[in-house]
Amino acid sequence: NAGVTQTPKFQVLKTGQSMTLQCAQDMNHNSMYWYRQDPGMGLRLIYYSASEGTTDKGEVPNGYNVSRLNKREFSLRLESAAPSQTSVYFCASRLAGGPSYEQYFGPGTRLTVT
Amino acid sequence: AQSVTQLDSHVSVSEGTPVLLRCNYSSSYSPSLFWYVQHPNKGLQLLLKYTSAATLVKGINGFEAEFKKSETSFHLTKPSAHMSDAAEYFCVVSDQETSYDKVIFGPGTSLSVIP
Repeated sequence: NAGVTQTPKFQVLKTGQSMTLQCAQDMNHNSMYWYRQDPGMGLRLIYYSASEGTTDKGEVPNGYNVSRLNKREFSLRLESAAPSQTSVYFCASRLAGGPSYEQYFGPGTRLTVT
Repeated sequence: AQSVTQLDSHVSVSEGTPVLLRCNYSSSYSPSLFWYVQHPNKGLQLLLKYTSAATLVKGINGFEAEFKKSETSFHLTKPSAHMSDAAEYFCVVSDQETSYDKVIFGPGTSLSVIP
């Protein structure tokens, strides 16, 4: 049982390049999330998916797109990377159905855009 | 609207002394409350959670938190700090108003432990 996995762990992009961050969970969770973490700002929600086939914007969605490929996988795409997207990105999953369920986090992807 | 306030952005304690990390929340409903810990260059891990059962919640690594509705607080404590407790701690609230699938994170408290 691997929990939540993320690839890659590190990535350096040039401004304007694109990339996709991959996330998968093996806990049969319905909800999945993408956050970014910046110094002094805590975690900010980019997008989330309440269930397979649905996605919704979070607090900071501009410059990102997501795909809930199936129940297990939730990817985050940067179409044209900007230096402001330099951050650590975390994927999380949660068993939907009520607010009492905790989130499970992946190890993170450290992205630098030059 | 829901919100979470962590009253200290940074706390420093000596090894072996008590730890107190403060969290206040705002919620119109009966909330669920969580504390997560993030060690350097790691993901977040659940320490403990309150979901309307016992108000004193025990978590991993000797941490506990008490839900006080009258004070809208959920402070995290530990009797004796260890060096391994040095990390970032996040207080989180979730309730029926947060779109049923979202949670609200506090800004975090960085805990330093001095040998």
